[in-house]
Amino acid sequence: GESVGLHLPTLSVQEGDNSIINCAYSNSASDYFIWYKQESGKGPQFIIDIRSNMDKRQGQRVTVLLNKTVKHLSLQIAATQPGDSAVYFCAEIPISSGSARQLTFGSGTQLTVLP
Amino acid sequence: NAGVTQTPKFRILKIGQSMTLQCTQDMNHNYMYWYRQDPGMGLKLIYYSVGAGITDKGEVPNGYNVSRSTTEDFPLRLELAAPSQTSVYFCASSYRPGTNEKLFFGSGTQLSVL
Repeated sequence: GESVGLHLPTLSVQEGDNSIINCAYSNSASDYFIWYKQESGKGPQFIIDIRSNMDKRQGQRVTVLLNKTVKHLSLQIAATQPGDSAVYFCAEIPISSGSARQLTFGSGTQLTVLP
Repeated sequence: NAGVTQTPKFRILKIGQSMTLQCTQDMNHNYMYWYRQDPGMGLKLIYYSVGAGITDKGEVPNGYNVSRSTTEDFPLRLELAAPSQTSVYFCASSYRPGTNEKLFFGSGTQLSVL
């Protein structure tokens, strides 16, 4: 079946640098995408979302870019801080999920911020 | 505001035992979900509910049962625990799919079946 996947399982960045986490999705019918952050021992925490009618959305220190042509999603974190160290998941809601609006999660990228 | 609360946080079961994972939310969300997360993996949907009295299977429902008698509570039942059910279980809720899709997650229940 179609699924959400990630290019890299791990990413290490220096504190203060910008981070870019990538996600490839295969379901062209998905109309909503979310990025979640999961710290060790905790549940996923919402970061930012984007609908398929948008290419870019900005939050506080985070930006999500959506390229529907190549079915690619990215999360950019500006001035990465130690507290950003976590696993980051992208997730999508395919239109086919109907009224349940079920999220399909990727396997995650471990971001490590180096001092 | 407590959000989504799960109990217990940790549990060890023997093969064949049963247990109920509790989940309650105080945000008056209609939609609730149970996910499992295996080590190094993403979350997989077990069951979901679109409102009190309505439940449906997700991607990996075998070995589990749910009920939704109230808006607040969505317990997950394991009847005959198996080692394959060793995982971290997350309950989540959302307000209004289609307009506000954000899922709010509990802190998880780590279950080991030995």
